[in-house]
Amino acid sequence: QSVLTQPPSASGTPGQRVTISCSGSTSNVGQNSVNWYQQFPGTAPRLLIYSNNQRPSGVPGRFSGSKSGASASLAISGLQSEDEADYYCATWDDDLHGWVFGGGTKLTVL
Amino acid sequence: EVRLVESGGGLVQPGGSLRLSCVVSGFAFNSYAINWVRQAPGKGLEWVSTISGPGGSRFYAGSVKGRFTISRDNSRNTVTLHMNRLSAADTGFYYCARGFDYTGYGEFDYWGQGTLLTVSS
Repeated sequence: QSVLTQPPSASGTPGQRVTISCSGSTSNVGQNSVNWYQQFPGTAPRLLIYSNNQRPSGVPGRFSGSKSGASASLAISGLQSEDEADYYCATWDDDLHGWVFGGGTKLTVL
Repeated sequence: EVRLVESGGGLVQPGGSLRLSCVVSGFAFNSYAINWVRQAPGKGLEWVSTISGPGGSRFYAGSVKGRFTISRDNSRNTVTLHMNRLSAADTGFYYCARGFDYTGYGEFDYWGQGTLLTVSS
């Protein structure tokens, strides 16, 4: 059971906007920045969003992040087939003194 | 170019020990924390351990505390994860990832390709 809660799956058609939620508590999401990672099958994860809403260089502008209270969201607008991957949220937990990940959301582009 | 390369994975019997290494290049090693994250087959990501840039701070997930030890050699650009009392629950890919800053509280901005640990008799 993950400390951060994500829906196990999400889907959308090309061009649509999809959001993935990440729910935590006051000791983690409510207190610290949230990061998002993208992982394709058989490959290492890559940083997609950091500090709640910042994109590393090379990440397309259709990816955006937000946070409100103890919940965060990843939004993908103009969905493309190449966005089909697993997405994970993560943050520091002040009570556990460590990093916590969400269980991951498998995004399917229909 | 930032690179992190893991090694040391393999097949270990339950109760055994193993040492994983992460050799890095392309950045000022002692200015960045290094993290280990694992992924059981078909499962999600699980943070394992973090060591700060200077090495003075070390953090462990509850599932490995007391069994795993993280260390770093700043002269060899290497981080080592010493793992003891291994069980089947430790099976999976182990990734090392650079922390954005030296503290250990920064996002994981670069990742290695992972090394596979299998614990089985």
